[in-house]
Amino acid sequence: EDKVVQSPLSLVVHEGDTVTLNCSYEVTNFRSLLWYKQEKKAPTFLFMLTSSGIEKKSGRLSSILDKKELFSILNITATQTGDSAIYLCAVEAKADKLIFGTGTRLQVFP
Amino acid sequence: NAGVMQNPRHLVRRRGQEARLRCSPMKGHSHVYWYRQLPEEGLKFMVYLQKENIIDESGMPKERFSAEFPKEGPSILRIQQVVRGDSAAYFCASSPSKGPFATQYFGPGTRLLVL
Repeated sequence: EDKVVQSPLSLVVHEGDTVTLNCSYEVTNFRSLLWYKQEKKAPTFLFMLTSSGIEKKSGRLSSILDKKELFSILNITATQTGDSAIYLCAVEAKADKLIFGTGTRLQVFP
Repeated sequence: NAGVMQNPRHLVRRRGQEARLRCSPMKGHSHVYWYRQLPEEGLKFMVYLQKENIIDESGMPKERFSAEFPKEGPSILRIQQVVRGDSAAYFCASSPSKGPFATQYFGPGTRLLVL
């Protein structure tokens, strides 16, 4: 059965800290891996990764995929309170559906 | 360009009633996906539709649940004879095309509460 596992489940840090969120997967017919940020509303798209070893960056966020070891990491540097959210990892497998992990709940305190 | 729109945002139903959830995809998007997020759980795929066609409904319960995406109008997720276990957030996503590089954009969700 296709599976996406995120760790840690929960993370509490202070502003300015750097965090690394992990996502490992076992799916058939891997197509892409996506990261979303979910606050009290819809998940918002962050990154799509399809190739190993190519880092994607957006401001203080960056992500990279390892298709050999079947995992991805999401890094957030110099965290701010506005980064507090649930970060969802999803893998697109066959039939165009996304398989989500349970998310990592990040809380950033001032 | 308006994002994915869902309504209602909150819906309260008593056991046995019907729930209808609507999703209007982003302009130019012809692919719609429905996901359910149970309390303290991740998002789970339910169904994938294109205009007038159900492409994949492998994640949708066989009974009481149905979905459609007519030629005109929004996509509808319909839950008949709701039970307390149906209480969840239902998210709709849309994408402009099929395939491995078509990002799905999510609506704000409908939070269904069954009393």
